[in-house]
Amino acid sequence: ETGVTQTPRHLVMGMTNKKSLKCEQHLGHNAMYWYKQSAKKPLELMFVYSLEERVENNSVPSRFSPECPNSSHLFLHLHTLQPEDSALYLCASSQDYRGHGREKLFFGSGTQLSVL
Amino acid sequence: SQQGEEDPQALSIQEGENATMNCSYKTSINNLQWYRQNSGRGLVHLILIRSNEREKHSGRLRVTLDTSKKSSSLLITASRAADTASYFCATGGLNSSGSARQLTFGSGTQLTVLP
Repeated sequence: ETGVTQTPRHLVMGMTNKKSLKCEQHLGHNAMYWYKQSAKKPLELMFVYSLEERVENNSVPSRFSPECPNSSHLFLHLHTLQPEDSALYLCASSQDYRGHGREKLFFGSGTQLSVL
Repeated sequence: SQQGEEDPQALSIQEGENATMNCSYKTSINNLQWYRQNSGRGLVHLILIRSNEREKHSGRLRVTLDTSKKSSSLLITASRAADTASYFCATGGLNSSGSARQLTFGSGTQLTVLP
């Protein structure tokens, strides 16, 4: 176990549904991340939060809405998704955020999302 | 185009053999990391090598970095069936315009170790 827990593990939703992915880290880290992993593609960074402030938003469509109520919890709210949004969504945390990719990331097991 | 690209895309070896995976990147880096991912799971950090280091060891893992060739290799010695997984390199540093670049992952090498 890496100390990062994601729920649910699997999610099937229709294009008109609204759902949320949850991530919790038990490591005392100050930064949390959302990544998208699609088949045959590199991991795509979606959002970064440092001390509950969003510091990166990599041109992610507005149908994905992150929320970081405290440094231990991170949510990804989903609404009106498209079938091409089907992917493994991974949450990660790091001790701090300094940019330039210096951080060692601790990942959760991911939520496998299928959009019908 | 993606920053880190692993080679080969897939590798199949017998238990006990060594496995070597390569990673090439395009722009300057301050560090390079290797991660492992078991099927359908999250990534696990294996090792980080800084741009001023040339080689690093951790258990059965050996990582080299050649900044002049913009490449790195991950060697797993005496492989085991449990080493079967995807292996990703990730680089951090600056992009071509000189601005900070987040950790960027490659597409990975799928390693299969046959018992």
